Amino acid sequence: SQTIHQWPATLVQPVGSPLSLECTVEGTSNPNLYWYRQAAGRGLQLLFYSVGIGQISSEVPQNLSASRPQDRQFILSSKKLLLSDSGFYLCAWSLTERDEQFFGPGTRLTVL
Amino acid sequence: GEDVEQSLFLSVREGDSSVINCTYTDSSSTYLYWYKQEPGAGLQLLTYIFSNMDMKQDQRLTVLLNKKDKHLSLRIADTQTGDSAIYFCAEILNRDDKIIFGKGTRLHILP
Repeated sequence: SQTIHQWPATLVQPVGSPLSLECTVEGTSNPNLYWYRQAAGRGLQLLFYSVGIGQISSEVPQNLSASRPQDRQFILSSKKLLLSDSGFYLCAWSLTERDEQFFGPGTRLTVL
Repeated sequence: GEDVEQSLFLSVREGDSSVINCTYTDSSSTYLYWYKQEPGAGLQLLTYIFSNMDMKQDQRLTVLLNKKDKHLSLRIADTQTGDSAIYFCAEILNRDDKIIFGKGTRLHILP
């Protein structure tokens, strides 16, 4: 069966510090991968999606970036965090663009 | 525990109303959401309702919330072929702002 992991579960970082959130999927090959952000009291915002290794599409301009160094690994990064980057970050995978997405447990990021 | 449940499939004739149901278990939820996922796209927030409301209407969409039974529904009036998608119900927990998703209901439109 397929599982999706996110690490870390909770993170508190100072403004201006770098960020690296990791998402890994097990039990499937060549999945589509997605990064979402949920700010407090709001719905989900799609940040990035990837259909293959090294292929990243960005949905919104921001100081975040994403990378896919391996087939089942998706990394969300920032060189310098802003206060507005605080939120709940969800990674998701799907078999193809037409299939339902399965979500990871999420990472809560607090920028102070 | 934290759980959101919804049926996996729904077929509706074009022009009829679609009703997608969802149940949740955590009574501390503050917001309840309906998302739409179309082929090749990410999740799109359709509508949301505060937990102290019973109903919210937005054009063809009507959300009903029965807090006593922890039941949420989404009604789409005059269903069109463009409404064919997967619809996710989600709740936000009051204690930690964590969002919990259902597994999604695939809405199929019959001609």
